[in-house]
Amino acid sequence: KNEVEQSPQNLTAQEGEFITINCSYSVGISALHWLQQHPGGGIVSLFMLSSGKKKHGRLIATINIQEKHSSLHITASHPRDSAVYICAVIPNTGNQFYFGTGTSLTVIP
Amino acid sequence: NAGVTQTPKFRILKIGQSMTLQCTQDMNHNYMYWYRQDPGMGLKLIYYSVGAGITDKGEVPNGYNVSRSTTEDFPLRLELAAPSQTSVYFCASSYAGRQPQHFGDGTRLSIL
Repeated sequence: KNEVEQSPQNLTAQEGEFITINCSYSVGISALHWLQQHPGGGIVSLFMLSSGKKKHGRLIATINIQEKHSSLHITASHPRDSAVYICAVIPNTGNQFYFGTGTSLTVIP
Repeated sequence: NAGVTQTPKFRILKIGQSMTLQCTQDMNHNYMYWYRQDPGMGLKLIYYSVGAGITDKGEVPNGYNVSRSTTEDFPLRLELAAPSQTSVYFCASSYAGRQPQHFGDGTRLSIL
């Protein structure tokens, strides 16, 4: 059973749309990591957060520790945002990340 | 800086063969990790290391071995390749355990 659930699994959007990707987890965590996997396979770290909100360019990540939920928002989406977005958590009791299966985003021009 | 470098990028093995996947990082990171990524599944941790000379098992260590003789290098060894080990393998590194991880480009391994 995966401790990290992402929704939706697949998402298609028109260029310019506001996008939300959700991540829910079942255990207490010390940190949550959002990553982006490019169509060619490379994986890049986007955000690491343990509370509140972080913003970088058109990307915003929020986390609600009490509700065990995080969201990744993309404003003014662009075809170059097309990728798989992966959520990962470190449980309070552990020292390794557990990964969701990813949300595949396609942005159509 | 090159970041995390993995070699080879692609490899086909026969059942029972052995091979080593190489991983090196130039960021002076203490922590290094090996993951496998199977279709439709999240990344799974195989082994990790918190520093030279120290390694520990992750979630799916069976069939693999690692060593960490230097800060820079963290090779992953498959001793007797099995079809179940067909996967994409990623090496990653981070300065500390709860820090963002930097990933290599991956090694696509097929065992036939």
